[in-house]
Amino acid sequence: NAGVTQTPKFQVLKTGQSMTLQCAQDMNHEYMSWYRQDPGMGLRLIHYSVGAGITDQGEVPNGYNVSRSTTEDFPLRLLSAAPSQTSVYFCASSYSSGSLYEQYFGPGTRLTVT
Amino acid sequence: AQSVTQPDIHITVSEGASLELRCNYSYGATPYLFWYVQSPGQGLQLLLKYFSGDTLVQGIKGFEAEFKRSQSSFNLRKPSVHWSDAAEYFCAVGDHGNQFYFGTGTSLTVIP
Repeated sequence: NAGVTQTPKFQVLKTGQSMTLQCAQDMNHEYMSWYRQDPGMGLRLIHYSVGAGITDQGEVPNGYNVSRSTTEDFPLRLLSAAPSQTSVYFCASSYSSGSLYEQYFGPGTRLTVT
Repeated sequence: AQSVTQPDIHITVSEGASLELRCNYSYGATPYLFWYVQSPGQGLQLLLKYFSGDTLVQGIKGFEAEFKRSQSSFNLRKPSVHWSDAAEYFCAVGDHGNQFYFGTGTSLTVIP
């Protein structure tokens, strides 16, 4: 199993550009989520999904869109990047919905918006 | 609202010394509690978790944590630290729904 994979590893965007961060898992996990990690603020939940076709907002959803058309993939879209979105983004998945279950994290995408 | 506090931003210990990392949470009911470790440039890996039962939980790599309801704490301990334990440690709370809340992390440095 590859686990949770994320692409790209690094990305530089200009303000106003759009892009999609890719996330895939091969563990047949129901639950997938996106976090951003900023210095001194830990990880904050952006969006999550409890299954294909079902998504919901987390703590900091503004400026981000998600969709979940398959169990395996959960892309995160930035429609118009802003410098405040400079961060490290982590995708995670877990066996089932519900915050009891261990999350498996991808290696992260480091995004810089200039 | 749920929240997690890790009061120590950075801790330095000598190799072989004992370690305790503090975590306090705010939650109305008994929460699901987790400790994760992050090595530089890597994602997070679960060390241990608590959701019910015995309040002393054993994890991987020789770590343990104790849930104390009266103190709203879930401190992580290791009796003898190894140089490879140098990393960032995150405490997290699961809200019995679908959301997790992470602390701001504690960076551990191990000196020989």
